[in-house]
Amino acid sequence: ILNVEQSPQSLHVQEGDSTNFTCSFPSSNFYALHWYRWETAKSPEALFVMTLNGDEKKKGRISATLNTKEGYSYLYIKGSQPEDSATYLCAFRDQAGTALIFGKGTTLSVSS
Amino acid sequence: DAGITQSPRYKITETGRQVTLMCHQTWSHSYMFWYRQDLGHGLRLIYYSAAADITDKGEVPDGYVVSRSKTENFPLTLESATRSQTSVYFCASRTTGQNTEAFFGQGTRLTVV
Repeated sequence: ILNVEQSPQSLHVQEGDSTNFTCSFPSSNFYALHWYRWETAKSPEALFVMTLNGDEKKKGRISATLNTKEGYSYLYIKGSQPEDSATYLCAFRDQAGTALIFGKGTTLSVSS
Repeated sequence: DAGITQSPRYKITETGRQVTLMCHQTWSHSYMFWYRQDLGHGLRLIYYSAAADITDKGEVPDGYVVSRSKTENFPLTLESATRSQTSVYFCASRTTGQNTEAFFGQGTRLTVV
């Protein structure tokens, strides 16, 4: 079973703080790495799909980087806002796989 | 309505009963997935399907059965529900390709009493 680890498990920051989370995944047979944002009582929604080593993606104040050789991805949130409060999931797909294997997520709480 | 929908949204059933959770998508996506969400475990893959009539086990398939006679539907059946199957179930779909994201249904909260 592929192991996808996320850290920290939870995080509490003040409005305006910048923060980052880590996703670790197997470095062999890499195919794709996904980031999802999951708000309470809603469905997970995709933020980024990353496929190339060195990829950097950005959407507003949120960005992500990818290192497939060492098996990690960082998600950054600049100037956190209360509406950024959610669980952030990363998911890994290897070359042999069809399905996404998810980490347990990092739950972010932003106080105003 | 376009998208991916699950039904029912909430279900309470008794131990030993059979229950089916429905998932329907309107995009003609090839791939469909069932995950369960439990505290401390995140999303765990139960079953998935690459096309009609093709299904495969995921990480936690025991006690579940799936079928996919039509591309747009992927029902999940609990043959004899147990309390350990109390969970929130998410269906997802995606098209083919390396860069394709998965789209999730709203989830079904199942309670087995």
